[in-house]
Amino acid sequence: AQSVTQLGSHVSVSEGALVLLRCNYSSSVPPYLFWYVQYPNQGLQLLLKYTSAATLVKGINGFEAEFKKSETSFHLTKPSAHMSDAAEYFCAVGNFNKFYFGSGTKLNVKP
Amino acid sequence: NAGVTQTPKFRVLKTGQSMTLLCAQDMNHEYMYWYRQDPGMGLRLIHYSVGEGTTAKGEVPDGYNVSRLKKQNFLLGLESAAPSQTSVYFCASSRPGQGAYEQYFGPGTRLTVT
Repeated sequence: AQSVTQLGSHVSVSEGALVLLRCNYSSSVPPYLFWYVQYPNQGLQLLLKYTSAATLVKGINGFEAEFKKSETSFHLTKPSAHMSDAAEYFCAVGNFNKFYFGSGTKLNVKP
Repeated sequence: NAGVTQTPKFRVLKTGQSMTLLCAQDMNHEYMYWYRQDPGMGLRLIHYSVGEGTTAKGEVPDGYNVSRLKKQNFLLGLESAAPSQTSVYFCASSRPGQGAYEQYFGPGTRLTVT
């Protein structure tokens, strides 16, 4: 069975600081991995996805994630946080017809 | 392109009432999904469909029914609403392909059952 674990339900950083949101997955087959962002009262938007083409994946708004098979991780990073990055972030794994989501990490950016 | 749209945006029901949520997509996607989102629990899959006329159960299907009579529409029904079904409901669609294609989400329906 697939599962996704996001460490830290809330992360707080200062504007300009590094953002690191953690995601670990379990999968019995090579996974397809995604990060989505959700702004208040909105649906989820795709940030980036890993589909085995490259282990370092660049997404929108300066975010990137690195797939590490040995660690079963797909952590999301951004070198310098901006106030507009405040949102909830979800890691997901896709396999055949289904997608499995982590419980989400709320990112707070302090001025 | 409107993408994925959901109707209604908000609804308040009394226990035991029924309702149908409508999801529509204009991207010609084969796959469609219904999720519920509750605080601290992420998104949980209720039902999904891999094509017109086909549906399947997800992680939390009890108390819900679905239909996919047209490729572009996916309906979620609550026959007898319960307070435990108070949640935000999201519809999504994707292309087929073993999970390699991302999902596109609607804006959500906030349902309160009193």
